[in-house]
Parts: sequence; structure tokens; C-alpha cells
Amino acid sequence: GAGVSQSPRYKVAKRGQDVALRCDPISGHVSLFWYQQALGQGPEFLTYFQNEAQLDKSGLPSDRFFAERPEGSVSTLKIQRTQQEDSAVYLCASSLKGQPQHFGDGTRLSIL
Amino acid sequence: AQKVTQAQTEISVVEKEDVTLDCVYETRDTTYYLFWYKQPPSGELVFLIRRNSFDEQNEISGRYSWNFQKSTSSFNFTITASQVVDSAVYFCALSEAASGTYKYIFGTGTRLKVLA
Repeated sequence: GAGVSQSPRYKVAKRGQDVALRCDPISGHVSLFWYQQALGQGPEFLTYFQNEAQLDKSGLPSDRFFAERPEGSVSTLKIQRTQQEDSAVYLCASSLKGQPQHFGDGTRLSIL
Repeated sequence: AQKVTQAQTEISVVEKEDVTLDCVYETRDTTYYLFWYKQPPSGELVFLIRRNSFDEQNEISGRYSWNFQKSTSSFNFTITASQVVDSAVYFCALSEAASGTYKYIFGTGTRLKVLA
């Protein structure tokens, strides 16, 4: 597709379960970002990939959060042992390096 | 420390009115970029504009205009003759070259409601 694709669109999980969120960036975009957006707030940076290298993970809130981009295209954000405070919209964005980021529709995660 | 402040949480206007959304930023970097994004109810963030720290020229694109003033660390966004389709949450964001990643620091957003 032409844009950034994220799946699933919605995810409901019970507290303590593991979840995996997928991001398919725009073809050719070397930069990939994950953001977390709490209700009524602006997105907050989680992690950054340049191709397959994770160069910045300073925004990951705990060691329960893990991201990968093994072949430099599709990326997965995994959250282990989910907690209620993990409920948020998770946004993926991609770009050519230093250029404006293009965002997906996000995955709305609800932890019960 | 870097920060973006959007003091207006919500603004309501009647269609055809002009409206200005405020954005104030803080950064120690001399090379940085400022952005505006629109987030409609569908959730996707739509890119509107990018300005770099060395270019203070104001910009106009159709009904949209942007006023960048380094002296007051502000990057305000004006919609002229607003329309119902302009209703959305608007985010201002900062990206610093020194970060190496160009990650965004977002404000908390301004919800704009345009009433028919």
C-alpha cells in the first residue's frame, strides 16, 4: 500500500497477557518510529530504528516493552505481561531520514 | 530541556470564522524543525507543514498560514474561513537535529470544533 499500515486496528487483552503489534512502513523508508498516545494526550516517543538497527529505545517505559525490525522493513512492538497502564494508542511512523514522518492509523490497545 | 506547549486545550468556532492555534517550544539546539499535524477522528496523523530553525518566513497554503517567530519561540497556525471539515485535534511537534534520530516531541494538542 501507499501508506503506513498497522495491525491489528484494535486489540483487547487481559492483564498479564503478551501482545504483539505490527507496523508495515512505506517502502524505502529507512527510519521507523513507535509512539504511545494516551487518551487526550500527544504521542510520546518510544523507540527508533534506522533500517534494522534500533538506535534509540530511550522512550520504552519498562523492560516489558520490546521492539524489533529484523529485515529493515516490517516492525513489531511486543509488550509482555501487560498492565492496565499500557492501554493507549500505539502509533507507528516511517520516513526518509530527516524528513517528515508518515503515520499509520494506530493500534488501540485496551487492557482489561 | 525540550518541550512543546499548546496552551489551548479546545477551541470552538462558527464556520467561516478565522482561528489561530498557538504553539510555544523550548529547545537548546540551534538546528531544529517544527511541525503541525492534524488528527481527525480516524486517528491518523496527517502532516501539514515543516519549518526549519533557519527559515523564519511565514507560509501560506490555501486557507492555512503559519507564523514562525524565533524571538518568542512560537510557531502559530491560522485557519482562515474555517470549515466543518477542519474539526480535528491539531498537534505541534519539535524535532532536534542533535537527537540524531529526528524523533518528535509533541504538544498535548488543541481540539478544534467548527460548528455549522
